[in-house]
Amino acid sequence: ETVLTQSPGTLSLSPGERATLSCRASQSVTGNFLAWYQQKPGQAPRLLIYAASTRATGIPDRFSGSGSGTDFTLTISRLEPEDFAVYYCQHYVTPIALTFGGGTKVEI
Amino acid sequence: EVQLVQSGAEVKKPGESLKISCKDSGYSFPYYWIGWVRQMPGKGLEWMGIIYPPDSDTRYSPSFQGQVTISVDKSMNTAYLQWSSLKASDMAIYYCARLGGGGSALDIWGQGTMVTVSS
Repeated sequence: ETVLTQSPGTLSLSPGERATLSCRASQSVTGNFLAWYQQKPGQAPRLLIYAASTRATGIPDRFSGSGSGTDFTLTISRLEPEDFAVYYCQHYVTPIALTFGGGTKVEI
Repeated sequence: EVQLVQSGAEVKKPGESLKISCKDSGYSFPYYWIGWVRQMPGKGLEWMGIIYPPDSDTRYSPSFQGQVTISVDKSMNTAYLQWSSLKASDMAIYYCARLGGGGSALDIWGQGTMVTVSS
């Protein structure tokens, strides 16, 4: 089973700054099946990025995903106040199984 | 609008059974796998399992195999997650979600069902 390790655990930044979140897999992610989610307190997670770099419907272009193999990154180019939340990465393995990382909290 | 609507919060005692639901607006069940995700208080997301409504093909995470049952009623466009005997450690928010996102990510989520287990 692939283990996803997210770092840092907490990222303290200010609005307008750039956020760089890391997700490292214990083995190579086949097909680049790596997704990113945002979760705010009291809300369900929201899909931001799938297939490592494809933005989901309605996601602003300040969010971008990159990486391949075992190392993936979510970048928020300029933090807006509504971007302060917890972010999770997720790996999909065929035939059908999913794994989540432990999360990174982006705080002011 | 594409949405998944989950049943309301539950308060149960250890040992009791429970079945929570996830109703599709009609756009997802014929075509997509529907998964369940657990979030324990203050913790991260855990994938529990997934079902394909057209044929009820079901897969479980090894961590949840034998602990819960995932099912579907196609006529009601509703998926279910059930326990035969709840434990205190089952207390969590449970989300259903659609496997869209290129077939590899959960793109539509229910609002979550809070399950409280306490004697």
